[in-house]
Amino acid sequence: GAVVSQHPSRVICKSGTSVKIECRSLDFQATTMFWYRQFPKKSLMLMATSNEGSKATYEQGVEKDKFLINHASLTLSTLTVTSAHPEDSSFYICSARDVGTEAFFGQGTRLTVV
Amino acid sequence: QQQVKQSPQSLIVQKGGISIINCAYENTAFDYFPWYQQFPGKGPALLIAIRPDVSEKKEGRFTISFNKSAKQFSLHIMDSQPGDSATYFCAAKADEDSNYQLIWGAGTKLIIKP
Repeated sequence: GAVVSQHPSRVICKSGTSVKIECRSLDFQATTMFWYRQFPKKSLMLMATSNEGSKATYEQGVEKDKFLINHASLTLSTLTVTSAHPEDSSFYICSARDVGTEAFFGQGTRLTVV
Repeated sequence: QQQVKQSPQSLIVQKGGISIINCAYENTAFDYFPWYQQFPGKGPALLIAIRPDVSEKKEGRFTISFNKSAKQFSLHIMDSQPGDSATYFCAAKADEDSNYQLIWGAGTKLIIKP
């Protein structure tokens, strides 16, 4: 299957700083990318959907100014957690798809805010 | 209407046994039903998927059974192995949804005892 590379796999940052997570489609064009958040022992919670070159569509309750999503190219999307706080600590997962294909998932990023 | 209900929450099966996880849905517009496997600290990976025009789909030791009238579908893992120990998620999607939004079940933690 197609490969989605997510980086970093783990990151620890200090409270108040910003952290950027990258999601790359390695062998296909990611016309649509999705960002999820997963709490321990819970299901995936969709945060936002982005189409290449367009602004992301955020799910209800997700602060767009806190979770900045950029999908500027057909192979790269980034999620920036701004002014991170301990409650933002979580497992973040991206997924990507091209038109007519299934969605492929990255390996996830464990964010810890201290 | 948009929910996918998954059970059980956790499951312990002896090596060589059959693992069965069930999901139910309400939205009759759903027409794509994937199952994902997730190992700790990793993103989910597509295991097998079915559309409602068939009642069963088999890939190796993994089988999806689909009951359209009951709006239920299940994952069967035959000859379960310790390496199958993971969390399994069912999901559903309506093809008319151009954003490809997956509706996720709550997950089942499967433990295969050697």
